[in-house]
Amino acid sequence: DIQMTQSPSSLSASIGDRVTITCRASQSITRYLNWYQQKPGKAPKVLIYTASSLQTGVPSRFSGGGSGTDFTLTITSLQPEDFGTYYCQQSYSAPWTFGQGTKVEIK
Amino acid sequence: QLQLQESGPGLVKPSETLSLTCTVSGGSFSSSRYYWGWIRQPPGKGLEWIGSILYSGSTHYKPSLKSRVTMSVDTSKKQFSLKLSSVTAADTGVYYCATFRQGDEYFQHWGQGTLVTVSS
Repeated sequence: DIQMTQSPSSLSASIGDRVTITCRASQSITRYLNWYQQKPGKAPKVLIYTASSLQTGVPSRFSGGGSGTDFTLTITSLQPEDFGTYYCQQSYSAPWTFGQGTKVEIK
Repeated sequence: QLQLQESGPGLVKPSETLSLTCTVSGGSFSSSRYYWGWIRQPPGKGLEWIGSILYSGSTHYKPSLKSRVTMSVDTSKKQFSLKLSSVTAADTGVYYCATFRQGDEYFQHWGQGTLVTVSS
């Protein structure tokens, strides 16, 4: 299985801050990397697919980058509603696997 | 816009079989655009893909769960189902059904999730 490792595991940031979460794959996954946001008690919601494509309806302050084994999710100006846990997920090779999550808190 | 809804028992005894159904509304069920999948999340932990099934019945299971998992579809009812046998406490968690969009390769639509507890 391809292992996905996210960093940091948690972070606390202020409104308006630029936030970057990284995700590393245990082998090359080209650009088959997706990002999800999950709020407490809710299902995950896709933000970014194939590394950098913004899902319809997702605010443009979210962006994704990277290829191969190293990827980033960036929130350019953190908003109050951006709290939650963010997961990366690879869809290069089954079984599809997720990172362990990054919990984002608002200071 | 596709909508998914999980249903099934919230409590299952150890060694028994967990059975869940996902009902799809708001779109075409018999479309090759999507695989229909199951993902679970133990309490306070991360997400784990269990498996996926196409409307035609073609399946893909996580290898470590394959011996215990069976998925099926009922196109007339626009439903797909999960059976997980010989459950233990480690199978406790929230189970989500979701669509896996082929081509773009991501989980696009999700059900709200249903908590299944394995306990005697």
